[in-house]
Amino acid sequence: SQQGEEDPQALSIQEGENATMNCSYKTSINNLQWYRQNSGRGLVHLILIRSNEREKHSGRLRVTLDTSKKSSSLLITASRAADTASYFCATDVGGSNYKLTFGKGTLLTVNP
Amino acid sequence: DAGVIQSPRHEVTEMGQEVTLRCKPISGHNSLFWYRQTMMRGLELLIYFNNNVPIDDSGMPEDRFSAKMPNASFSTLKIQPSEPRDSAVYFCASTPGPSLSGANVLTFGAGSRLTVL
Repeated sequence: SQQGEEDPQALSIQEGENATMNCSYKTSINNLQWYRQNSGRGLVHLILIRSNEREKHSGRLRVTLDTSKKSSSLLITASRAADTASYFCATDVGGSNYKLTFGKGTLLTVNP
Repeated sequence: DAGVIQSPRHEVTEMGQEVTLRCKPISGHNSLFWYRQTMMRGLELLIYFNNNVPIDDSGMPEDRFSAKMPNASFSTLKIQPSEPRDSAVYFCASTPGPSLSGANVLTFGAGSRLTVL
């Protein structure tokens, strides 16, 4: 079964707008990661947030984590056409130091 | 560093044929993972190696699948015999090694797209 579930499954916005994607998970975690996948490519790590952190920033990315609700959100500000990709959250299953479980992703389309 | 290198990028084969996918991890990375991606099931971990030793193969779907890592710079995933339901994109990923903090950041290859007719 999926540990992480992204929402929405697909999101279409205009360039310059903000994009928010959500991830819910089921069991306790040590950290949560977000990855991006461009069409036909492998996944690329974007950002990691630890369970004792509530918010983290990296450039135009902002990630929040609410462990009480077992949820995380990824905000991309001032989106660009190049941000068009699928975005996945990944969690360490049961605090595993190696096993990451990925959700099915949110397909973000940024229209120029 | 050229990153994680996978070959072939695309493979089309007929049911019953043997398929071998190859992976070269990033130099110095001691952990290697094989994942499978399909629309229906998303990304699934097939097998995890640490220091060339298979640690967790619980995700390998059945005996038709096997994986080896004969040395630190090479791994193979073999399917024999292949079936249409094996059609997927297979990713190899590597990391420096198990993290005491639990923060295991993966570097993925570009994937091998397998189509079994």
